[in-house]
Amino acid sequence: DAGVIQSPRHEVTEMGQEVTLRCKPISGHDYLFWYRQTMMRGLELLIYFNNNVPIDDSGMPEDRFSAKMPNASFSTLKIQPSEPRDSAVYFCASTLEGWRNTIYFGEGSWLTVV
Amino acid sequence: GNSVTQMEGPVTLSEEAFLTINCTYTATGYPSLFWYVQYPGEGLQLLLKATKADDKGSNKGFEATYRKETTSFHLEKGSVQVSDSAVYFCALKGGSGQNFVFGPGTRLSVLP
Repeated sequence: DAGVIQSPRHEVTEMGQEVTLRCKPISGHDYLFWYRQTMMRGLELLIYFNNNVPIDDSGMPEDRFSAKMPNASFSTLKIQPSEPRDSAVYFCASTLEGWRNTIYFGEGSWLTVV
Repeated sequence: GNSVTQMEGPVTLSEEAFLTINCTYTATGYPSLFWYVQYPGEGLQLLLKATKADDKGSNKGFEATYRKETTSFHLEKGSVQVSDSAVYFCALKGGSGQNFVFGPGTRLSVLP
């Protein structure tokens, strides 16, 4: 079975540029999560969706960050404009409704803003 | 709200030593509990889980028992290997929410 698929795996961009990260969750999963991981702050939940609807975006750092889920098989996380402090690994993850169900992570998108 | 507390790292052990990484949680209701492992340069992978009190999750020589009376889910391994060097995350799901709550992670380094 295909797992959670993220792209790009690595991106280096200049400050001020727009960055778009993409995620394809596991087929049939109804929850999708975006996390950010840094050495200083660890793993942070940015936003999560249920059935394509944003449920909690309280972790989104500021208005420069936006996330969409136009359908059940695709989500994007956009940063515009990007800043050096946005450099991090961004993980997408998905799971099924139900308290026993495991969350599955993608391999991450490693973003460097110079 | 739900929360997870893990012991601070880093933890450095010699090969074949015994490992314990403590994890305690706060949650309403009856959450499921998980341990995830992150190897260098990779995403988080499920290591083991337990879905009810007194359940023991186990995988790759690691074990953890869901203790409701002490609200704990400590990770143990009897003899660690260099290849176990990674960051370990305790997590919970359920109780009062559908989202996962992760602990801060504990970095383990195993020396040959």
